[in-house]
Amino acid sequence: SQTIHQWPATLVQPVGSPLSLECTVEGTSNPNLYWYRQAAGRGLQLLFYSVGIGQISSEVPQNLSASRPQDRQFILSSKKLLLSDSGFYLCAWSPLAGLNEQFFGPGTRLTVL
Amino acid sequence: KQEVTQIPAALSVPEGENLVLNCSFTDSAIYNLQWFRQDPGKGLTSLLLIQSSQREQTSGRLNASLDKSSGRSTLYIAASQPGDSATYLCAVTDYKLSFGAGTTVTVRA
Repeated sequence: SQTIHQWPATLVQPVGSPLSLECTVEGTSNPNLYWYRQAAGRGLQLLFYSVGIGQISSEVPQNLSASRPQDRQFILSSKKLLLSDSGFYLCAWSPLAGLNEQFFGPGTRLTVL
Repeated sequence: KQEVTQIPAALSVPEGENLVLNCSFTDSAIYNLQWFRQDPGKGLTSLLLIQSSQREQTSGRLNASLDKSSGRSTLYIAASQPGDSATYLCAVTDYKLSFGAGTTVTVRA
C-alpha cells in the first residue's frame, strides 16, 4: 500500500531564516505530487505541483520554491521566511493516470516568529 | 476561476441525527469531486470520490451525491456518532483540485 510522509511535523522559525520541508511517497511510482498551504480559518491553497522529476509548476507567486530531486521526493523551500509564510503545509500525491484521487500526508505546522 | 462554497461553516447535532453537508461549485466542467475529513492539526483523509459521470457514491454510513449541471454535491452521514466530529472538505478537480473552506461538525453525545 502507498504511504506518504512529511517532516518535520512542527517547525518554529524566525523571520528571514531558510526553510526546507520534505515529503516522500512509498509504494507507488511516477506519482503526481502537490504542495498545499492551509492558513488559519482559510481553505487549502495549491502552491506547487509536479508531474515528474525536475518538473515543477507554480500556482501562485510567492516567497517559496519547490523541487523534485527524485521520483517520490518533493521538497518545499524558502531562502528567507516571512511572517505570512506561517501555516499548515500539506503534501499530497495522486496516481499518474486514472481517477486523479489525491491522498494527503500528515502535514507540517510552520510558525514564523 | 473555480469557486467552491460549503454551507454551513459549522454544524452541531445530537448523536444519532443524520448529517447533511452541502458543497457548491461555479464551473461544472469538472473531472471529479472528492470529499475529505480533517481532524484538528491533522492531514486530510479521503472519504469519497465521485467521477463526473457518476451521480453518487456510498461507503458505509456515508453517501455523496453529485449534480454537475447545477454545480452541487451533498454528503450525507447517517446516524452520526461523536467520532464523526471533524471538518469536512469538498474539492473539485478541473485541471487542479479546488477546495471549499469546509464545514466543521460537532456531534454531541
